[in-house]
Amino acid sequence: DTEVTQTPKHLVMGMTNKKSLKCEQHMGHRAMYWYKQKAKKPPELMFVYSYEKLSINESVPSRFSPECPNSSLLNLHLHALQPEDSALYLCASSQDGQGSNIQYFGAGTRLSVL
Amino acid sequence: EDQVTQSPEALRLQEGESSSLNCSYTVSGLRGLFWYRQDPGKGPEFLFTLYSAGEEKEKERLKATLTKKESFLHITAPKPEDSATYLCAVQAPSNTGKLIFGQGTTLQVKP
Repeated sequence: DTEVTQTPKHLVMGMTNKKSLKCEQHMGHRAMYWYKQKAKKPPELMFVYSYEKLSINESVPSRFSPECPNSSLLNLHLHALQPEDSALYLCASSQDGQGSNIQYFGAGTRLSVL
Repeated sequence: EDQVTQSPEALRLQEGESSSLNCSYTVSGLRGLFWYRQDPGKGPEFLFTLYSAGEEKEKERLKATLTKKESFLHITAPKPEDSATYLCAVQAPSNTGKLIFGQGTTLQVKP
């Protein structure tokens, strides 16, 4: 089973709202990722957690706040977003943070910021 | 500069018309090249990983090959359900798990 589950599937929020995206995997993977994908573009890496510690932050604005409560769960807390933050947010996981490992993606959360 | 370039950007085929997608890469010390398929509004689905020049992998109508400078995804006798965007990615030399993606090839197979 290579399933990564993301909730919710769709989210609409105003610029003053606070919301969270959730991601879960039960493959025993120790690395988890957040990506942002705009229409007709490839995924862009935002954050990497390796063994529950933040290992990469790709200079993401502070209105995005990641959290890794345990090895199976990954959250992305959203606050004071801008309309240009509307996108498909993807979560992925891999065996660990080593480069040769396959990343498995979830179905994504479609976020619309009004 | 490490980068991945995919061609063509878009490809239209008739059902049964075989073709190839190209992925050219420049990266110091390849640690892995990955092919994904992505349907509209969904997450990328893993297809293949290749690690060394000369390696080949097959799955149904798809075959991926790797040289020192590029990878090909060969599609034999495609069906309409093969229509999707195909993404190629390589591991960044830092070996931190960061993937460098190409822009993708959008394939449309007409019945």
